[in-house]
Amino acid sequence: DIQMTQSPSSLSASVGDRVTITCQASQDIHNFLNWYQQKPGKAPNLLIYDVSNLESGVPLRFSGRGHGTHFTLTISSLQPEDVATYYCQQYPDLPLSFGAGTRVEIK
Amino acid sequence: QVRLVESGGGVVQPGRSLTLSCVASGFSFDFYGMHWVRQAPGRGLQWVAGIWYDGSVTQYADSVKGRLTISRDTAKNTVYLQMTNVRGEDTAVYYCARDKSTTTSGFDYWGQGTPVTVSS
Repeated sequence: DIQMTQSPSSLSASVGDRVTITCQASQDIHNFLNWYQQKPGKAPNLLIYDVSNLESGVPLRFSGRGHGTHFTLTISSLQPEDVATYYCQQYPDLPLSFGAGTRVEIK
Repeated sequence: QVRLVESGGGVVQPGRSLTLSCVASGFSFDFYGMHWVRQAPGRGLQWVAGIWYDGSVTQYADSVKGRLTISRDTAKNTVYLQMTNVRGEDTAVYYCARDKSTTTSGFDYWGQGTPVTVSS
């Protein structure tokens, strides 16, 4: 099974700050990596697919990079509405697996 | 617009059975893979099961293999999750999610979730 390790597990930053979340895969997953945002009490929402492709309607302050085993999600200017937990997810190796999540809060 | 509506959750005793349903609308149901993803209270996301667009392939997490069964009915635009011999660790909110592809990739639309509590 492929393990997805996210860091940090939580962070607190000020509005306007640049925030970066890291996701490490236990083996090479090429570019088969997606990112999700889950706001409290809501279903997850696909943000970025295949490492760097923004899903329709996602603000341009979100971006993704990486290849192989190391990936990052960056919020260029943190906004109050970005308070959420963010998850990375690999495919198509079974079982499909998510990182444990990174909780983002406003300082 | 794309809509996924789950139902069937509730309180169930250990060892009993339960079937979850997810009715899809707003897209061509038979062109997309479908999945169930669960989230235990206060925990992260866990993929449970997936089914290809035509139902020809089903896939499961090891922890549910042999106990949970995913299926789909194209005529009803519905995907199901039959849960048998449920355990305490099956307690979670169960989300139905559409795959971005016909097979297995990422989840681009999610339902609101249906909670399942396994308790005697």
